[in-house]
Amino acid sequence: DAKTTQPPSMDCAEGRAANLPCNHSTISGNEYVYWYRQIHSQGPQYIIHGLKNNETNEMASLIITEDRKSSTLILPHATLRDTAVYYCIVRVLQVGSQGNLIFGKGTKLSVKP
Amino acid sequence: DAGVTQSPTHLIKTRGQQVTLRCSPKSGHDTVSWYQQALGQGPQFIFQYYEEEERQRGNFPDRFSGHQFPNYSSELNVNALLLGDSALYLCASRVQGFRTGELFFGEGSRLTVL
Repeated sequence: DAKTTQPPSMDCAEGRAANLPCNHSTISGNEYVYWYRQIHSQGPQYIIHGLKNNETNEMASLIITEDRKSSTLILPHATLRDTAVYYCIVRVLQVGSQGNLIFGKGTKLSVKP
Repeated sequence: DAGVTQSPTHLIKTRGQQVTLRCSPKSGHDTVSWYQQALGQGPQFIFQYYEEEERQRGNFPDRFSGHQFPNYSSELNVNALLLGDSALYLCASRVQGFRTGELFFGEGSRLTVL
């Protein structure tokens, strides 16, 4: 699985959009981009994933560049409860895939009042 | 709908002892993975169980072993505990063969080795 690079920490004001970047310059054509987050003292929580098209769900939006070498997770209106470590992961997705994820250190997002 | 449940939530052991951690997957899930998360680090994959067999293993020694039961629940066993085994142990479940690959994690068992 390709390696990802994320800033170690970011701050965001409550109510503003939080834009979390991720570089994955060695991503291959069959690798998806996944985002998980981990709130303090809890297990990681799935947020969103995508291949090459932008994706949106009730939690966030995922913007993937045309060359797929980087992506941005957008939390449109950050709240204090969004304070967490956010992990960007790239992995092959196929029926019968093993399901293990390779986590880096992620980005610690602090949402401030 | 109960999510992934793990027990115990906290435990303290001494070096050389053995520990067993337990996991019940989310309803409808048949595949269980275990992760180790040291303080300040991201989770590291230990192994995955499906149909009561270990299907894939990360870079962990044989002291780490597991089991999956017919009801899909799972145990993680660690023998001859070392200080470095102190960590949060996370269980995650999914449906085998389901394309999204979304994993559901429990809240973990925090192991302290003294």
